[in-house]
Amino acid sequence: AQSVTQLDSQVPVFEEAPVELRCNYSSSVSVYLFWYVQYPNQGLQLLLKYLSGSTLVKGINGFEAEFNKSQTSFHLRKPSVHISDTAEYFCAVIPYYNTDKLIFGTGTRLQVFP
Amino acid sequence: NAGVTQTPKFQVLKTGQSMTLQCAQDMNHNSMYWYRQDPGMGLRLIYYSASEGTTDKGEVPNGYNVSRLNKREFSLRLESAAPSQTSVYFCASRDRGNEKLFFGSGTQLSVL
Repeated sequence: AQSVTQLDSQVPVFEEAPVELRCNYSSSVSVYLFWYVQYPNQGLQLLLKYLSGSTLVKGINGFEAEFNKSQTSFHLRKPSVHISDTAEYFCAVIPYYNTDKLIFGTGTRLQVFP
Repeated sequence: NAGVTQTPKFQVLKTGQSMTLQCAQDMNHNSMYWYRQDPGMGLRLIYYSASEGTTDKGEVPNGYNVSRLNKREFSLRLESAAPSQTSVYFCASRDRGNEKLFFGSGTQLSVL
C-alpha cells in the first residue's frame, strides 16, 4: 500500500519570502508523484508532476519540486510567494503497478501574509 | 464542455437515511474516482473505477457502495448514513496515461 505524509498542516509566510512544503511518501513500489493546489472554494488543479527523468520539475505559477528517491521525498518550493498563492496544497502518488489508483496526502494550508 | 458534474451540491440527512451522489463526465475518461475531504485528513479515496463495469476499493470504502453505470457515470451510495460520513465529497475523472485529474465541484453532506 502507498501513503503520503505532509508534515506541515499549516505554513504561514510573508509575501515575497521563499517557501517549502514538505511531502514524504511510503511505497514498496515505484510511484509517480504530483502536487495539486486547491484555491478557496474551488476544486483541485494540477501544479506539477514527476514521472521520470530529471528529478527537478517545474510547474505552474513559479513552483518547482525535487524528487529524492533515497529520502522518498517530493518537496515543493517557491522562491518568492504572492498573496494569491494562499491555498491548500496536496501531494499525491500513483503506483507504477496500478496507474488508476491516486492517493493524496493530508494537505498543507499555505497562508501568505502581506 | 461541462467536465465533471456532481449532484447534489448540498445535502442534509438524518442518521440511517440513504442517498446516492451522482457524478457524470463528458470527457470520455476511463478512470473515475470518489474522494471525501475532511479537515486535517486531506482527500481520501473511497472507491475508484478503472473502466466501465469495474470498481475497486480505495482507502476508506466502509459504509459506501458505488456503481459504474456506463463510461460517463459513477455514483456513490450511502445505504445507512452515519454522522461520521459528514464530509465534502468529490468526484473526479482522468484518462489512463494522463495524470491530469478533473474534479467536480463537490457535494457538502451533513449527517445529523
